[in-house]
Amino acid sequence: AQSVTQPDIHITVSEGASLELRCNYSYGATPYLFWYVQSPGQGLQLLLKYFSGDTLVQGIKGFEAEFKRSQSSFNLRKPSVHWSDAAEYFCAVGGGATNKLIFGTGTLLAVQP
Amino acid sequence: NAGVTQTPKFRILKIGQSMTLQCTQDMNHNYMYWYRQDPGMGLKLIYYSVGAGITDKGEVPNGYNVSRSTTEDFPLRLELAAPSQTSVYFCASTRGVLAGGYQETQYFGPGTRLLVL
Repeated sequence: AQSVTQPDIHITVSEGASLELRCNYSYGATPYLFWYVQSPGQGLQLLLKYFSGDTLVQGIKGFEAEFKRSQSSFNLRKPSVHWSDAAEYFCAVGGGATNKLIFGTGTLLAVQP
Repeated sequence: NAGVTQTPKFRILKIGQSMTLQCTQDMNHNYMYWYRQDPGMGLKLIYYSVGAGITDKGEVPNGYNVSRSTTEDFPLRLELAAPSQTSVYFCASTRGVLAGGYQETQYFGPGTRLLVL
């Protein structure tokens, strides 16, 4: 079955510290992988996406993610977190003719001053 | 461009009432989607459409209906509201799937918060 797992429900980091949010997927075909961010009361904004090629992808706001096929993972990283990064982060996998996305349950990031 | 717009932003319904959630996009996207978001559950696909006149069920379609008479609009209809439909509803759109299977990005609206009492 196709699925996305985000094992961390909540993460708290100090401002300036590094961040890694985990994402594991199960998908039968070539996965197309996405990270979205949702600020409180807002819609979802795309941070980055992976389709093919270089397995390390750069996104907006200083985020990057690495696709590891052998581990079925697509973890999101940021070297130095800012207070404005506090939000909920969703990993998603898609593919096929209808471009449907399957989302993980999200990771809520809190940033301590 | 406004992108994806949704109305209303917030609505309270009584059990058994009906309503339509509106979604409009001005990007000439062929594909449109309705998701619901419940706490701790991520987003679940309700219905989707790959073009005007073409709709199909997603993961959680029960209690909902959709139509797609134009490229721009994709309304979601709740006929008999139930407390289980209390949720945040998101509409999204994308150009779709391009040559070689390239998956276009989905763009999301700001959401509609629905409370059924």
